Amino acid sequence: QVQLVQSGAEMKKPGASVRLSCKASGYIFKTYAMHWVRQAPGQGLEWMGWIFPGNGNTRSSQKFQGRVTITRDTSANTVYLELSSLRSEDTAVYYCARDLTVGTYLGSGYWGQGTLVTVSS
Amino acid sequence: DIQMTQSPSSLSASVGDRVTITCRASQDISSYVSWYQQKPGEAPNLLIYAASTLQSGVPSRFSGSGSGTDFTLTISSLQPEDFATYYCQQCYSAPPWTFGQGTKVEIK
Repeated sequence: QVQLVQSGAEMKKPGASVRLSCKASGYIFKTYAMHWVRQAPGQGLEWMGWIFPGNGNTRSSQKFQGRVTITRDTSANTVYLELSSLRSEDTAVYYCARDLTVGTYLGSGYWGQGTLVTVSS
Repeated sequence: DIQMTQSPSSLSASVGDRVTITCRASQDISSYVSWYQQKPGEAPNLLIYAASTLQSGVPSRFSGSGSGTDFTLTISSLQPEDFATYYCQQCYSAPPWTFGQGTKVEIK
């Protein structure tokens, strides 16, 4: 069965960077795109970016103005999200989520358990 | 970027009620809408994709409709386990694939 297991909670100071991981299992890793979505406390879902593990192509929301880097390690079936220049507004639960289908994006059918990132001085 | 305007932001309903949530896209997105349910402390769960296709394992009381700019999620007979927050997401063309603001369904 498809499983996405995310790394543990992080506490960071403003200005620092954080790197989160999402280890996939139960399917052919290179075949399905992976997204990162975050949710600030009490707020809605925010799409951050996407990677296609097969060729490493990525795209992130312009909102993050270059602060987001999404990578993958195909030998470890793992995708990573790095967020730099952290500020208090980045405090949120970060989710990885896998495409439901191969090819055209129709939604994310599988989600990790989420990783809480707290940014505080 | 395509904006998704979801309404209402919250609603109160009783078990057995019929509930409708709407989402309006800022441009024509054909049928590229998905709907998610999220319960407190949990990751979102995909209910419907391609506007009206029920995800495997999702109860048939959930249904989706619409195309173009206007979309609807309907729960035909609200059950206790359906009290949650619901989000639409547009999946049209290129990213960013934006979400609606969410609708919290509460017990009346």
